[in-house]
Amino acid sequence: DIVMTQSPDSLAVSLGERATINCKSSQSVLYSSNNKDYLAWYQQKPGQPPKLLFYWASTRKSGVPDRFSGSGSGTDFTLTISSLQAEDVAVYYCQQYYGSTPTFGQGTKVEI
Amino acid sequence: EVQLVESGGGFVEPGGSLRLSCVASGFTVSNAWMSWVRQAPGKGLEWVGRIKTKADGGTTDYAAPVKGRFTISRDDSKNNLYVQMNSLKTEDTAVYYCTVETGTTGTTQYWGQGTLVTVSS
Repeated sequence: DIVMTQSPDSLAVSLGERATINCKSSQSVLYSSNNKDYLAWYQQKPGQPPKLLFYWASTRKSGVPDRFSGSGSGTDFTLTISSLQAEDVAVYYCQQYYGSTPTFGQGTKVEI
Repeated sequence: EVQLVESGGGFVEPGGSLRLSCVASGFTVSNAWMSWVRQAPGKGLEWVGRIKTKADGGTTDYAAPVKGRFTISRDDSKNNLYVQMNSLKTEDTAVYYCTVETGTTGTTQYWGQGTLVTVSS
């Protein structure tokens, strides 16, 4: 299985400041035949199921605020919140879906 | 609107069995790749397994920790998804989410609210 490793495990950011979460996969999740990275980002707030933020590494799901951005390719990916808002407090997970068995990172808790 | 409602969770002793159900609405389960994802209390997300559409062979894939113990199936006439869980272990304790993988995103886009399974003696 592809192992996904996120860093840091948690971070505290002031309101309006930038938050950056990194995700590294144990092997490339870039599918050469279509040039797509099989990488997604989810946001989970307490007591709620996860919510998809990005797919194909950088395609923002409709309705996700543009202060969120996803980047990276191959094995290294980043989720950036450009100006943290109170409602962004959550745990964020990356997920690879390149292999037949998707795997998640361990999660990164974002606090104010 | 896609809606997924899980049921069947509860308390079971180690070695026991449980079947979870997921009632889907707003789409046809036979036309979607459906999967189960679980989350142990206070822990991260773990993909459990999926069932593909008939058009894609109707085959199933499972994560290593549950392979041989869990079986995912669906009833197209009821638009339901199931997971039969046998030989349960304490480490199977988790909230189990029913999810839909979409072709547009290539991954899990829709989630139910989850049902809690507790395995304990």
